[in-house]
Amino acid sequence: GQNIDQPTEMTATEGAIVQINCTYQTSGFNGLFWYQQHAGEAPTFLSYNVLDGLEEKGRFSSFLSRSKGYSYLLLKELQMKDSASYLCALIYNQGGKLIFGQGTELSVKP
Amino acid sequence: GAGVSQTPSNKVTEKGKYVELRCDPISGHTALYWYRQSLGQGPEFLIYFQGTGAADDSGLPNDRFFAVRPEGSVSTLKIQRTERGDSAVYLCASSSGQSNQPQHFGDGTRLSIL
Repeated sequence: GQNIDQPTEMTATEGAIVQINCTYQTSGFNGLFWYQQHAGEAPTFLSYNVLDGLEEKGRFSSFLSRSKGYSYLLLKELQMKDSASYLCALIYNQGGKLIFGQGTELSVKP
Repeated sequence: GAGVSQTPSNKVTEKGKYVELRCDPISGHTALYWYRQSLGQGPEFLIYFQGTGAADDSGLPNDRFFAVRPEGSVSTLKIQRTERGDSAVYLCASSSGQSNQPQHFGDGTRLSIL
């Protein structure tokens, strides 16, 4: 299997920076996605990494290292509305299925 | 523009009954995906369509589950002889079918089997 691992829960303070890690034991995938999911709502797309390195999109950045089997999502200037579950997912084939980790529940405290 | 629409938003039924869940994808998206999500878990892949045909149905748990997309747009997920273990949120997503393009998800159907 893909064995995608994420921490179950994290807590951070409003205005701070938090890094959510995703590790996997697989190879040959096309790319890695990060999604945000608020309770009771649809997952929404945050970022996509296909090459090693950092992809920056405003307050959110995502990093991938294929050789280390590792990705992270970096959230800066945390806001209360960032409290949500963050899901990493691998895609193997063009247009194919996503294989998700179990998600990391982030709580942002005042 | 309109996103992915799923109906019903909630479905409660008794064990052994038949259910149909509907997904209306984003207009023009050729790829359509079904996932199911249990509490505290990531979505689990069930099946995906390219156009009218099922390109990968390896995630369907058993032959009680079936999905169709007869005209390459709306899809229906059908579950026969429902069991309590089928209770979950069933998510539908659509995309253009390119690997670098994200899948866009609907809000899901919360299915509860009593």
